[in-house]
Amino acid sequence: DTGVSQDPRHKITKRGQNVTFRCDPISEHNRLYWYRQTLGQGPEFLTYFQNEAQLEKSRLLSDRFSAERPKGSFSTLEIQRTEQGDSAMYLCASSLGLVGTEAFFGQGTRLTVV
Amino acid sequence: DAKTTQPPSMDCAEGRAANLPCNHSTISGNEYVYWYRQIHSQGPQYIIHGLKNNETNEMASLIITEDRKSSTLILPHATLRDTAVYYCIVRVTGTYKYIFGTGTRLKVLA
Repeated sequence: DTGVSQDPRHKITKRGQNVTFRCDPISEHNRLYWYRQTLGQGPEFLTYFQNEAQLEKSRLLSDRFSAERPKGSFSTLEIQRTEQGDSAMYLCASSLGLVGTEAFFGQGTRLTVV
Repeated sequence: DAKTTQPPSMDCAEGRAANLPCNHSTISGNEYVYWYRQIHSQGPQYIIHGLKNNETNEMASLIITEDRKSSTLILPHATLRDTAVYYCIVRVTGTYKYIFGTGTRLKVLA
C-alpha cells in the first residue's frame, strides 16, 4: 500500500465551474478527513467520515461544498460554482478507527480558480 | 481555535539537536499529542505522537511534561532536509477534529 492517494494533484478551473477531487485512503482505514490549506496557513478542518457516515462538518464547508464516501472506501469532494476564494490546497487524510492512532495525509490537490 | 501554542520560527545548526516546544495547557486526560511536519507544497508528514510517556521513533523523540501541559519534539541530529513547518496538534475534545495552528517554521542552517 502506497499511502493516501489524491487525484488530481493540480486543477485549474474558471470561476463558476464545478470541480471534483478524489481521495483513496489507506486500505482498512475507516476514518477519512478533508482539510483545506491556503498559503501561509495551517490546514483547516473541513469534514470527517467514519466509514460511509459523515460525522462532522466545519462551518467552512458552505452549501457549495459536498463530500461523499460511498461504501466507506474512496471519498470525493465537490465544489460547485467555484469562486476565487476557493483557491487552496485540499488535503485528505485517513486513519484507523482506534483511539490514539495517527492520521496519514495525501499530497493534496492544488486548486486554482481563475 | 487551535488548542496548541508554538513559537512561529526557530533556527538550528545542522548536526545539532532541534528542540521544538509546544504548549497545550487545556489538554484533557485522554487526549494524545501529535506532531506533524510539512515541507513546502507537500502534505503533512506524521512524525510521532504520545499520551503521557516519552516516546521515541526513528524520526524523533517526544518529551511530555508530567502535567501534560506542554511537550517538546526533539530531532536529535538535524539535517537540511528537516527544514519544514512543524505542527503540534491535539484533538478537539468530544470530536474527531484535529486543529492545526500556524506551527513552527524550523530552518536548519548549514
